[in-house]
Amino acid sequence: GNSVTQMEGPVTLSEEAFLTINCTYTATGYPSLFWYVQYPGEGLQLLLKATKADDKGSNKGFEATYRKETTSFHLEKGSVQVSDSAVYFCALKEGSGGSNYKLTFGKGTLLTVNP
Amino acid sequence: EAGVTQSPTHLIKTRGQQATLRCSPISGHTSVYWYQQALGLGLQFLLWYDEGEERNRGNFPPRFSGRQFPNYSSELNVNALELEDSALYLCASSFFPGLEAFFGQGTRLTVV
Repeated sequence: GNSVTQMEGPVTLSEEAFLTINCTYTATGYPSLFWYVQYPGEGLQLLLKATKADDKGSNKGFEATYRKETTSFHLEKGSVQVSDSAVYFCALKEGSGGSNYKLTFGKGTLLTVNP
Repeated sequence: EAGVTQSPTHLIKTRGQQATLRCSPISGHTSVYWYQQALGLGLQFLLWYDEGEERNRGNFPPRFSGRQFPNYSSELNVNALELEDSALYLCASSFFPGLEAFFGQGTRLTVV
Protein backbone atom coordinates (compact mmCIF):
# COMPACT_ATOMS: atom_id res chain seq x y z
CA GLY A 1 0.00 0.00 0.00
CA ASN A 2 0.88 3.66 0.02
CA SER A 3 3.25 4.96 2.65
CA VAL A 4 5.14 8.05 3.75
CA THR A 5 8.58 8.05 5.35
CA GLN A 6 9.96 11.19 6.94
CA MET A 7 13.16 11.80 8.80
CA GLU A 8 13.02 10.97 12.46
CA GLY A 9 13.50 13.71 14.93
CA PRO A 10 13.81 15.42 17.09
CA VAL A 11 15.48 18.21 15.16
CA THR A 12 16.97 21.04 17.19
CA LEU A 13 18.14 24.22 15.49
CA SER A 14 19.18 27.69 16.45
CA GLU A 15 17.12 30.64 15.29
CA GLU A 16 17.88 31.70 11.70
CA ALA A 17 19.31 28.30 10.80
CA PHE A 18 18.35 26.48 7.59
CA LEU A 19 15.79 23.70 7.92
CA THR A 20 15.32 20.57 5.85
CA ILE A 21 12.95 17.78 6.79
CA ASN A 22 13.12 14.89 4.36
CA CYS A 23 10.01 13.10 3.17
CA THR A 24 9.73 10.26 0.66
CA TYR A 25 6.66 8.38 -0.38
CA THR A 26 5.47 5.18 -1.99
CA ALA A 27 2.25 5.37 -3.95
CA THR A 28 0.38 3.95 -6.87
CA GLY A 29 -0.95 6.53 -9.22
CA TYR A 30 -0.41 10.22 -8.74
CA PRO A 31 -1.10 11.35 -5.19
CA SER A 32 -1.27 14.88 -3.88
CA LEU A 33 1.34 15.72 -1.25
CA PHE A 34 1.02 17.82 1.88
CA TRP A 35 2.88 19.15 4.86
CA TYR A 36 0.88 19.66 8.03
CA VAL A 37 2.07 21.36 11.22
CA GLN A 38 0.93 20.66 14.76
CA TYR A 39 1.76 23.30 17.35
CA PRO A 40 1.81 22.22 21.02
CA GLY A 41 -1.66 21.40 22.29
CA GLU A 42 -3.34 22.04 18.96
CA GLY A 43 -4.72 20.10 16.04
CA LEU A 44 -3.15 19.88 12.60
CA GLN A 45 -2.94 22.81 10.24
CA LEU A 46 -2.21 22.53 6.55
CA LEU A 47 1.13 24.21 5.87
CA LEU A 48 1.48 23.67 2.12
CA LYS A 49 0.56 21.27 -0.64
CA ALA A 50 1.42 20.20 -4.18
CA THR A 51 -0.91 18.32 -6.47
CA LYS A 52 1.31 17.26 -9.36
CA ALA A 53 4.92 16.59 -10.26
CA ASP A 54 7.26 19.61 -10.17
CA ASP A 55 4.71 21.71 -8.30
CA LYS A 56 6.19 23.80 -5.50
CA GLY A 57 4.08 24.47 -2.44
CA SER A 58 4.99 27.42 -0.25
CA ASN A 59 3.66 29.19 2.83
CA LYS A 60 5.11 31.22 5.72
CA GLY A 61 8.62 30.91 4.28
CA PHE A 62 8.39 27.11 4.00
CA GLU A 63 8.74 25.39 0.63
CA ALA A 64 8.50 21.87 -0.75
CA THR A 65 8.75 20.59 -4.32
CA TYR A 66 6.94 17.49 -5.61
CA ARG A 67 9.71 15.35 -7.12
CA LYS A 68 8.24 12.36 -8.91
CA GLU A 69 11.60 11.00 -10.06
CA THR A 70 12.85 10.70 -6.49
CA THR A 71 9.38 10.29 -4.92
CA SER A 72 10.21 13.05 -2.48
CA PHE A 73 8.62 16.14 -0.98
CA HIS A 74 11.27 17.63 1.31
CA LEU A 75 10.31 20.60 3.49
CA GLU A 76 12.72 23.55 3.62
CA LYS A 77 12.92 26.95 5.26
CA GLY A 78 15.80 29.32 4.90
CA SER A 79 15.67 30.90 8.36
CA VAL A 80 13.69 29.31 11.17
CA GLN A 81 12.18 31.15 14.09
CA VAL A 82 11.39 30.07 17.64
CA SER A 83 7.71 30.21 16.68
CA ASP A 84 8.30 27.42 14.12
CA SER A 85 8.79 24.92 16.93
CA ALA A 86 6.19 22.24 16.28
CA VAL A 87 5.67 18.73 14.91
CA TYR A 88 5.68 18.54 11.11
CA PHE A 89 3.85 15.79 9.24
CA CYS A 90 4.31 14.84 5.61
CA ALA A 91 1.21 13.28 4.04
CA LEU A 92 -0.16 12.02 0.77
CA LYS A 93 -3.74 11.91 -0.38
CA GLU A 94 -4.99 8.81 -2.05
CA GLY A 95 -8.10 8.44 -4.06
CA SER A 96 -9.69 9.97 -7.07
CA GLY A 97 -13.05 10.11 -8.71
CA GLY A 98 -14.93 10.32 -5.43
CA SER A 99 -13.71 7.14 -3.82
CA ASN A 100 -11.47 6.07 -0.99
CA TYR A 101 -10.16 9.47 -0.04
CA LYS A 102 -7.84 9.42 2.92
CA LEU A 103 -4.61 10.99 4.04
CA THR A 104 -1.62 8.78 4.79
CA PHE A 105 0.78 10.45 7.20
CA GLY A 106 4.41 10.09 8.08
CA LYS A 107 5.23 9.67 11.76
CA GLY A 108 6.02 13.31 12.29
CA THR A 109 9.21 15.25 13.01
CA LEU A 110 9.52 17.33 16.15
CA LEU A 111 11.32 20.60 15.48
CA THR A 112 12.65 22.72 18.34
CA VAL A 113 14.14 26.12 17.56
CA ASN A 114 16.23 27.75 20.26
CA PRO A 115 16.77 31.51 20.52
CA GLU B 1 -16.46 31.12 10.68
CA ALA B 2 -16.18 28.37 13.27
CA GLY B 3 -13.68 25.63 12.62
CA VAL B 4 -14.02 21.93 13.26
CA THR B 5 -15.06 21.42 16.86
CA GLN B 6 -14.61 18.26 18.86
CA SER B 7 -15.96 17.26 22.24
CA PRO B 8 -15.03 16.45 24.85
CA THR B 9 -11.48 17.78 24.96
CA HIS B 10 -10.42 15.09 27.37
CA LEU B 11 -12.02 11.77 28.25
CA ILE B 12 -10.94 9.24 30.84
CA LYS B 13 -12.41 5.75 30.75
CA THR B 14 -11.64 2.41 32.30
CA ARG B 15 -10.77 -0.69 30.34
CA GLY B 16 -13.83 -2.42 28.93
CA GLN B 17 -16.02 0.69 28.88
CA GLN B 18 -17.32 2.49 25.81
CA ALA B 19 -16.26 5.94 24.66
CA THR B 20 -18.19 8.35 22.45
CA LEU B 21 -16.41 11.20 20.72
CA ARG B 22 -18.17 13.94 18.80
CA CYS B 23 -17.23 16.15 15.89
CA SER B 24 -18.95 19.14 14.28
CA PRO B 25 -17.56 19.95 10.82
CA ILE B 26 -17.17 23.39 9.34
CA SER B 27 -20.50 24.67 8.10
CA GLY B 28 -21.13 23.44 4.56
CA HIS B 29 -18.63 20.59 4.76
CA THR B 30 -20.12 17.19 4.03
CA SER B 31 -17.11 14.92 4.53
CA VAL B 32 -15.80 13.98 7.97
CA TYR B 33 -12.64 12.00 8.63
CA TRP B 34 -11.41 10.43 11.87
CA TYR B 35 -7.76 9.77 12.71
CA GLN B 36 -6.03 8.24 15.71
CA GLN B 37 -2.77 9.77 16.89
CA ALA B 38 -1.20 7.31 19.29
CA LEU B 39 2.17 7.91 20.86
CA GLY B 40 4.93 6.62 18.63
CA LEU B 41 2.55 5.53 15.87
CA GLY B 42 1.83 8.78 14.11
CA LEU B 43 -1.57 9.47 12.60
CA GLN B 44 -3.62 6.50 11.49
CA PHE B 45 -6.73 6.83 9.32
CA LEU B 46 -9.83 5.46 11.03
CA LEU B 47 -13.01 6.34 9.14
CA TRP B 48 -14.39 8.59 6.42
CA TYR B 49 -18.03 9.64 6.22
CA ASP B 50 -19.68 11.58 3.46
CA GLU B 51 -23.36 12.44 3.04
CA GLY B 52 -24.24 10.18 5.95
CA GLU B 53 -22.51 7.08 4.59
CA GLU B 54 -19.31 5.35 5.63
CA ARG B 55 -17.04 5.62 2.56
CA ASN B 56 -13.76 4.19 3.73
CA ARG B 57 -12.36 2.49 6.78
CA GLY B 58 -8.83 2.08 8.08
CA ASN B 59 -7.25 -1.03 9.52
CA PHE B 60 -9.00 -0.97 12.88
CA PRO B 61 -11.14 -3.63 14.61
CA PRO B 62 -14.95 -3.47 14.41
CA ARG B 63 -15.20 -2.12 17.95
CA PHE B 64 -14.26 1.21 16.36
CA SER B 65 -17.42 2.48 14.71
CA GLY B 66 -19.21 5.69 14.03
CA ARG B 67 -21.90 7.48 12.16
CA GLN B 68 -22.68 10.76 10.48
CA PHE B 69 -25.89 12.59 11.22
CA PRO B 70 -28.14 14.52 8.77
CA ASN B 71 -26.49 17.79 9.88
CA TYR B 72 -23.10 16.22 8.91
CA SER B 73 -21.82 16.07 12.48
CA SER B 74 -20.25 12.78 13.40
CA GLU B 75 -19.74 10.47 16.30
CA LEU B 76 -16.95 7.96 16.88
CA ASN B 77 -17.67 5.08 19.22
CA VAL B 78 -15.04 2.83 20.70
CA ASN B 79 -16.39 -0.25 22.47
CA ALA B 80 -14.62 -2.59 24.89
CA LEU B 81 -11.84 -0.08 25.47
CA GLU B 82 -8.29 -1.34 25.73
CA LEU B 83 -5.30 0.43 27.23
CA GLU B 84 -3.73 0.84 23.79
CA ASP B 85 -6.75 2.86 22.64
CA SER B 86 -5.32 5.76 24.64
CA ALA B 87 -4.57 8.41 22.02
CA LEU B 88 -5.51 11.77 20.57
CA TYR B 89 -8.45 11.34 18.20
CA LEU B 90 -8.59 13.95 15.48
CA CYS B 91 -11.56 14.79 13.32
CA ALA B 92 -11.28 16.64 10.03
CA SER B 93 -13.82 17.89 7.53
CA SER B 94 -13.79 18.94 3.90
CA PHE B 95 -16.26 20.71 1.65
CA PHE B 96 -16.11 17.93 -0.89
CA PRO B 97 -14.39 14.54 -0.88
CA GLY B 98 -10.73 14.97 -1.66
CA LEU B 99 -10.56 18.71 -1.09
CA GLU B 100 -8.46 20.22 1.67
CA ALA B 101 -9.29 18.77 5.06
CA PHE B 102 -9.41 21.03 8.12
CA PHE B 103 -8.65 19.47 11.49
CA GLY B 104 -10.13 19.98 14.91
CA GLN B 105 -8.05 20.15 18.05
CA GLY B 106 -8.81 16.58 19.01
CA THR B 107 -10.14 14.56 21.92
CA ARG B 108 -7.55 13.09 24.25
CA LEU B 109 -8.82 9.65 25.30
CA THR B 110 -7.11 8.00 28.23
CA VAL B 111 -7.94 4.42 29.14
CA VAL B 112 -6.94 3.34 32.63
